[in-house]
Amino acid sequence: EVQLVESGGGLVQPGGSLRLSCAASGFTFSSYAMSWVRQAPGKGLEWVSGISGSGGATYYADSVNGRFTISRDNSKNTLYLQMNSLRAEDTAVYYCAKDQTIVLVPAANIWGQGALVTVSS
Amino acid sequence: QSALTQPASVSGSPGQSITISCTGTSSDVGGYNYVSWYQHHPGKAPKLMIYDVSKRPSGVSNRFSGSKSGNTASLTISGLQAEDEADYYCSSYTSSSPWVFGGGTKLTVL
Repeated sequence: EVQLVESGGGLVQPGGSLRLSCAASGFTFSSYAMSWVRQAPGKGLEWVSGISGSGGATYYADSVNGRFTISRDNSKNTLYLQMNSLRAEDTAVYYCAKDQTIVLVPAANIWGQGALVTVSS
Repeated sequence: QSALTQPASVSGSPGQSITISCTGTSSDVGGYNYVSWYQHHPGKAPKLMIYDVSKRPSGVSNRFSGSKSGNTASLTISGLQAEDEADYYCSSYTSSSPWVFGGGTKLTVL
């Protein structure tokens, strides 16, 4: 079964750091681009960051550029999102999503169930 | 990275057809055939309904269809069913970013 499982969410103080992980199974992980998408409480979906299948190309939304780092370990079938200098407005459910190609285009056909990140003092 | 423009809400009765619009610019919707649509029930994972403007993933009902004209993409749902009630988001590739979402549209089945 094709599956994505996020972990690493939780409560963190403003200015703190957190690392999300997304464990993939049921498909050839290195053959597909991956993204992180978030949904803040009461808001819509927001694309956060994406990475090509090889990991050689990474992309960020302006709202997180310079604070978040996306990476992947294809030997472990795992996607990561390192989040630094967290702000209250980063509070959201974070989803990892699998694209349909090795390069990043907006067509994610598999999504995880999400990890809640709460930034609060 | 401005969000694409969608109506906040649409509604329809069971059996009817509805269309949700998604308006962008020539730098996103109008410039690329990489428009996708997602269905999102609160508390669940989003589901891909349409990709590459009009392609349907395996398993998605043929009641869902997509199209594009100029800078505006559309999702049409025919034969509305109660389970179609959800939030719907369009997204597009852009000249400055691989992904941008629309603000989302809440579909109510009356």
